[in-house]
Amino acid sequence: LAKTTQPISMDSYEGQEVNITCSHNNIATNDYITWYQQFPSQGPRFIIQGYKTKVTNEVASLFIPADRKSSTLSLPRVSLSDTAVYYCLVGSSSTGGFKTIFGAGTRLFVKA
Amino acid sequence: DAGVTQSPTHLIKTRGQQVTLRCSPISGHKSVSWYQQVLGQGPQFIFQYYEKEERGRGNFPDRFSARQFPNYSSELNVNALLLGDSALYLCASSLRYSRDNIAEQYFGPGTRLTVT
Repeated sequence: LAKTTQPISMDSYEGQEVNITCSHNNIATNDYITWYQQFPSQGPRFIIQGYKTKVTNEVASLFIPADRKSSTLSLPRVSLSDTAVYYCLVGSSSTGGFKTIFGAGTRLFVKA
Repeated sequence: DAGVTQSPTHLIKTRGQQVTLRCSPISGHKSVSWYQQVLGQGPQFIFQYYEKEERGRGNFPDRFSARQFPNYSSELNVNALLLGDSALYLCASSLRYSRDNIAEQYFGPGTRLTVT
């Protein structure tokens, strides 16, 4: 099963771009990479998903190099409300069926 | 439209007891997954159900079981509770199921289980 490694925490200031990198060295050929955001006492919320190269939506961009052993979530111009835990998730299939592995998450703290 | 709902919101049980947690997916979603989140850690995958069949199981003991009903709602059962089972139990639903990639999951607010 592909496991993920992320920085434990990051600090930023309002208006800055934040890049969070996730390592997933054992990612399988068919696995997708997904990022979720979680606020205290809430369930995670989907941010973005990709397979390779670059994906962009209205809130973030996801950069995936050709070897797919890592990915970088980019949050443009963060605000105080972006303070949350960000999880990198790699889907993995096995003989036993479907499994998903959340990493430990990165605690992003945005300062004024 | 209503999101994923879970009940109860909070629950306190004693060691050795049994607990049943309930989840109603978003209307039209046929896949439900269960996760356990211990304070300070990421969610750990327990089960996934699709069309009432178990499609995936995480590394949890047999004390944990689940099922999905014809209306796609789901129950998670935990027997012989241990102190270490204290956690936030999250349910997530998704529109589709794929063996390999991950469909976008919509999480409920969770059930906070405390075992004393």
